[in-house]
Amino acid sequence: GAVVSQHPSWVICKSGTSVKIECRSLDFQATTMFWYRQFPKQSLMLMATSNEGSKATYEQGVEKDKFLINHASLTLSTLTVTSAHPEDSSFYICSATSWTSGSYEQYFGPGTRLTVT
Amino acid sequence: AQSVTQLDSQVPVFEEAPVELRCNYSSSVSVYLFWYVQYPNQGLQLLLKYLSGSTLVESINGFEAEFNKSQTSFHLRKPSVHISDTAEYFCAVSDVDFGNEKLTFGTGTRLTIIP
Repeated sequence: GAVVSQHPSWVICKSGTSVKIECRSLDFQATTMFWYRQFPKQSLMLMATSNEGSKATYEQGVEKDKFLINHASLTLSTLTVTSAHPEDSSFYICSATSWTSGSYEQYFGPGTRLTVT
Repeated sequence: AQSVTQLDSQVPVFEEAPVELRCNYSSSVSVYLFWYVQYPNQGLQLLLKYLSGSTLVESINGFEAEFNKSQTSFHLRKPSVHISDTAEYFCAVSDVDFGNEKLTFGTGTRLTIIP
């Protein structure tokens, strides 16, 4: 149980276009989902916290107009990279939380590799 | 603000040898501590966690970690590694007040098992 999927697993797009990444909790409902960005040989950096039915909370330094997050249901959150540029190329990972055994546990998706040319 | 330091970016170890992956954290508040493992082409999976109680926590596949508050460390150890342990390991912390909903990760340690 507690599986999180991401689609697509990888995407190549041209500079200036927008790309949408989906994050789904397959067998549980997640009130909270997180979006992370991971650069090579670096840690996961939290970009934003997404709660179902409300606006996402962005971390300092993350452009909310560039990285649009929509949490439309308890099983789906999307991240749209608008007007992508080569510096947006990265590995994007989502996670979804579930209340398990007296505490929240985060379940991670497999990630989406974005390459902007 | 919190931070996590994993000093070793890569650790090569011979099969059946012991291993220790180091993790130190910095925080002004009480924290929860986690180790996640990322196998090639897969998402992060929780390996073990410390929330409260016994400072020594164990995973089902033989790993253990000990919370040392005075040294602000949460090192991961395994007495005898297997080829299947080859993966990237991430240490993470969260503010107790947030539960484990908001994680701060270290830069990861790539564990390579040498046959």
